[in-house]
Amino acid sequence: DSGVTQTPKHLITATGQRVTLRCSPRSGDLSVYWYQQSLDQGLQFLIQYYNGEERAKGNILERFSAQQFPDLHSELNLSSLELGDSALYFCASSVGQTSYTGELFFGEGSRLTVL
Amino acid sequence: QKEVEQDPGPLSVPEGAIVSLNCTYSNSAFQYFMWYRQYSRKGPELLMYTYSSGNKEDGRFTAQVDKSSKYISLFIRDSQPSDSATYLCAVRGGSQGNLIFGKGTKLSVKP
Repeated sequence: DSGVTQTPKHLITATGQRVTLRCSPRSGDLSVYWYQQSLDQGLQFLIQYYNGEERAKGNILERFSAQQFPDLHSELNLSSLELGDSALYFCASSVGQTSYTGELFFGEGSRLTVL
Repeated sequence: QKEVEQDPGPLSVPEGAIVSLNCTYSNSAFQYFMWYRQYSRKGPELLMYTYSSGNKEDGRFTAQVDKSSKYISLFIRDSQPSDSATYLCAVRGGSQGNLIFGKGTKLSVKP
């Protein structure tokens, strides 16, 4: 158990809808990262928050947004969903802004299916 | 050209075999290299990391980086069925130092 909690584990929705994925980082970790994993693209970095502030942005679509709250939990909002958004969404956490050892602690993911 | 390339496999070996997993990367400025292991229906977990060139050993696992050829390798000795998983290489790069992952190689070790 990594200590990172993600909800929901599975989500099925329709095109055009909006969903929210939630992540609670490990106790003491200030950074939260969101990744998208699909068969064709692999694990793609979306966005990172550190202590409530956006720190780094990757290949995140404009239809997606995220935030980190004062209690350090984070939410990833996906709107105007398309079939191609079906994927596993992972949250990861680390202690500092930059993990020089590359050690991120991943949750078990939220599997999103868009029909 | 993708920043990190990894053969997705799948790779199937008998128990006890030596496994070699490989990645190539495009940017010679990358300095930090990692291997993550991902079991089915789980999130990735860090297996090993290395800084710059050279070898690093941890039990049955050896990570190797050849910066001259931009090649990253993971060797597993005496492979076990419990090693069956997807192995992802990663580099710390990008404009903001985020991790860039390969697509992963699915390994199956048969008893």
